[in-house]
Amino acid sequence: NAGVTQTPKFQVLKTGQSMTLQCAQDMNHNSMYWYRQDPGMGLRLIYYSASEGTTDKGEVPNGYNVSRLNKREFSLRLESAAPSQTSVYFCASSGPRTAVSYEQYFGPGTRLTVT
Amino acid sequence: AQSVTQLDSHVSVSEGTPVLLRCNYSSSYSPSLFWYVQHPNKGLQLLLKYTSAATLVKGINGFEAEFKKSETSFHLTKPSAHMSDAAEYFCVVSDAGNMLTFGGGTRLMVKP
Repeated sequence: NAGVTQTPKFQVLKTGQSMTLQCAQDMNHNSMYWYRQDPGMGLRLIYYSASEGTTDKGEVPNGYNVSRLNKREFSLRLESAAPSQTSVYFCASSGPRTAVSYEQYFGPGTRLTVT
Repeated sequence: AQSVTQLDSHVSVSEGTPVLLRCNYSSSYSPSLFWYVQHPNKGLQLLLKYTSAATLVKGINGFEAEFKKSETSFHLTKPSAHMSDAAEYFCVVSDAGNMLTFGGGTRLMVKP
């Protein structure tokens, strides 16, 4: 049981390049999330997927797209990277709110630098 | 709308002394509240959560937090700090669905 896994762990891009961050969970959770973490700002929600086949914008969606490939996998794509997207990206998943514990479980993060 | 304010961006304590990390929240609903810990270059781990049961919540590694509705606070405490407690701590609120709002974080430093 690996929990939430993310690839890659580190990435350096040049401005204008594209890339996809991968996330997978093995806890049979319906909901999955992408956050970015910047110093002093906590984590901010980029996109989320409440269930397979649905995605919605979070607080900071501009410059990103997502795909909920199946129940396990939720990817984040940067079509044309900008220096402002330099950040640490976290994927998370959660079960339904009515469950005994519905907290979000986080992956180890992807550290992205855009030059 | 919901929001979280962590009142200290940095807290420094000596090993063996008490820890207090302060958190105030704003919510238009009966909130659920969480504390997460992040060790350097790691992901986030849940320390404890409040979900409208007992107002004093015990978590892992000797941490606890008290929900005070009248003060809209959810401060994190530990009686005796250990070197391994050095990390960043996030107070988090959720008032509907599974959406979380994070505070800005408090970096805890523990001096030997």
